Amino acid sequence: EDQVTQSPEALRLQEGESSSLNCSYTVSGLRGLFWYRQDPGKGPEFLFTLYSAGEEKEKERLKATLTKKESFLHITAPKPEDSATYLCALGVNFGNEKLTFGTGTRLTIIP
Amino acid sequence: DAGITQSPRHKVTETGTPVTLRCHQTENHRYMYWYRQDPGHGLRLIHYSYGVKDTDKGEVSDGYSVSRSKTEDFLLTLESATSSQTSVYFCASGLGSYNEQFFGPGTRLTVL
Repeated sequence: EDQVTQSPEALRLQEGESSSLNCSYTVSGLRGLFWYRQDPGKGPEFLFTLYSAGEEKEKERLKATLTKKESFLHITAPKPEDSATYLCALGVNFGNEKLTFGTGTRLTIIP
Repeated sequence: DAGITQSPRHKVTETGTPVTLRCHQTENHRYMYWYRQDPGHGLRLIHYSYGVKDTDKGEVSDGYSVSRSKTEDFLLTLESATSSQTSVYFCASGLGSYNEQFFGPGTRLTVL
């Protein structure tokens, strides 16, 4: 059974304190791994797609990486506006077109 | 940004009443999805559609039905709402599991 687990559930950082969020997964056939950001009261906003182990994507202070078992979202020198819940999701090769979402990491950046 | 709207944005209803939520997208995406989001459970798929009149169940489909008569519209119906269906409902659209999904702003539904 395809599974995706995100850790930690919540993370509080000082402004400028870099860290990483983890998304570990077990899947029979990975089509893509997706990262989203969700602000309170809003829908998830797409950040990155990763397709193969070793791939990396960057956007401002965020960098996503992928191995065969997990993905990391690295946050460098975060600012308070980076506070949000970060979700990862799997697209799997099951002949359907669904994504399986993790429960997210709630990130708080303290000024 | 993908153009996805949901209506209504907020709704309060009573147990046993029917409720229909509407999703409209302007991206001509083939696939559309309905999720519910609850604390501790994350996003859970209710139903999805892979074309006009083509739909399939997700992991939490009991008590829900859907219809898609046009590419741009996807309706979610609660035939007889229950308190356990109090949740935030998100619609999404996309091009399949190789590609990202784009989400609407959500509908907060409260069933009293």
